[in-house]
Amino acid sequence: GIQVEQSPPDLILQEGANSTLRCNFSDSVNNLQWFHQNPWGQLINLFYIPSGTKQNGRLSATTVATERYSLLYISSSQTTDSGVYFCAVEPGTASKLTFGTGTRLQVTL
Amino acid sequence: DTAVSQTPKYLVTQMGNDKSIKCEQNLGHDTMYWYKQDSKKFLKIMFSYNNKELIINETVPNRFSPKSPDKAHLNLHINSLELGDSAVYFCASSLTWSRNSPLHFGNGTRLTVT
Repeated sequence: GIQVEQSPPDLILQEGANSTLRCNFSDSVNNLQWFHQNPWGQLINLFYIPSGTKQNGRLSATTVATERYSLLYISSSQTTDSGVYFCAVEPGTASKLTFGTGTRLQVTL
Repeated sequence: DTAVSQTPKYLVTQMGNDKSIKCEQNLGHDTMYWYKQDSKKFLKIMFSYNNKELIINETVPNRFSPKSPDKAHLNLHINSLELGDSAVYFCASSLTWSRNSPLHFGNGTRLTVT
């Protein structure tokens, strides 16, 4: 099956700093989504982004499908950004999302 | 509030028991899912239903039986619970079965088997 690797696995930032999270995948995809799991365990959909660039407030995401990677940018990080960020992909040959192992982000004061 | 809601939030039970988790969505979505998140936070799909019909059944023990009485509900019944079933179970939904449908999750049910 498709492999999904996220980096870095762990990240500690001071409030106000910027960061880039990366998601590499091993096959072409028709569907890519980014999720944030907050410290209370809730999973929030951030972006549906199989290709191109999208922005939502301080967050933006870019997927370069031909090179099989996606990036999630967090600018001016806040403590509420803490949690685990997951990338999930669906290859063209299957009909289910496969999740990466996540990037655990901690934003400190 | 429009949402995916699942109950209970916490479930603590002994090995060998049978338990159910309920899920409802009022988003008008056609497709619903069950995901399992293990202790290392890894998320894996278990089942998917589209308009009450089973379309994905991953290699899940047949002690797990999903039931969808209508497209707004997808319940999960687990027989003869084992220690290894301890995990967080998430219900989710998407507008359609097609690939351009963002996934929306419920808040999870933490199952602890003792």
